[in-house]
Amino acid sequence: AQSVAQPEDQVNVAEGNPLTVKCTYSVSGNPYLFWYVQYPNRGLQFLLKYITGDNLVKGSYGFEAEFNKSQTSFHLKKPSALVSDSALYFCAVRNNAGKSTFGDGTTLTVKP
Amino acid sequence: KAGVTQTPRYLIKTRGQQVTLSCSPISGHRSVSWYQQTPGQGLQFLFEYFSETQRNKGNFPGRFSGRQFSNSRSEMNVSTLELGDSALYLCASSLGKLEQFFGPGTRLTVL
Repeated sequence: AQSVAQPEDQVNVAEGNPLTVKCTYSVSGNPYLFWYVQYPNRGLQFLLKYITGDNLVKGSYGFEAEFNKSQTSFHLKKPSALVSDSALYFCAVRNNAGKSTFGDGTTLTVKP
Repeated sequence: KAGVTQTPRYLIKTRGQQVTLSCSPISGHRSVSWYQQTPGQGLQFLFEYFSETQRNKGNFPGRFSGRQFSNSRSEMNVSTLELGDSALYLCASSLGKLEQFFGPGTRLTVL
């Protein structure tokens, strides 16, 4: 069975500092990996994806993620955090049959 | 392009009743997935429909069912509502197995 783990319920960083939100996964076959963000009282928004190719993928709002096949990880990163980045972040994996599994989410708080 | 729309946005029902939620995907998207989001359980996958066929199913009881129409619109039905069914129900559409686009959700409260 496929699974996604986000080991941190909460990540706190100061504005201007780099941020990392961790994600590890387990899936049969080649993974389709995604990050989504959810702002309060809003639906999820797609941030970025890894399907194939370069291990470092860039997405919306300056976010990027690094795919590491040997560590089965797909950590989300941003070089300089903004207060407006504060939100709930979900990592997700989709298998070849199209089934999606989401992590439990990580609440990112960026303090001024 | 219009985004994913879900109706109604809010629902209040009592235990034992049934409810039907509706989702209209982005034009051209044939895959529609449903999720239940609760504070304690996170985002739980209910099922996915592709071209009117249920392609994937999560681990929910048979009280939860769905269907997809020829225009890709989808409905989700929950029968014999329980208090624990109170949640935000999210619908998402996608092109095949690529990223999903989520609707705003339907907030269901069961009293």
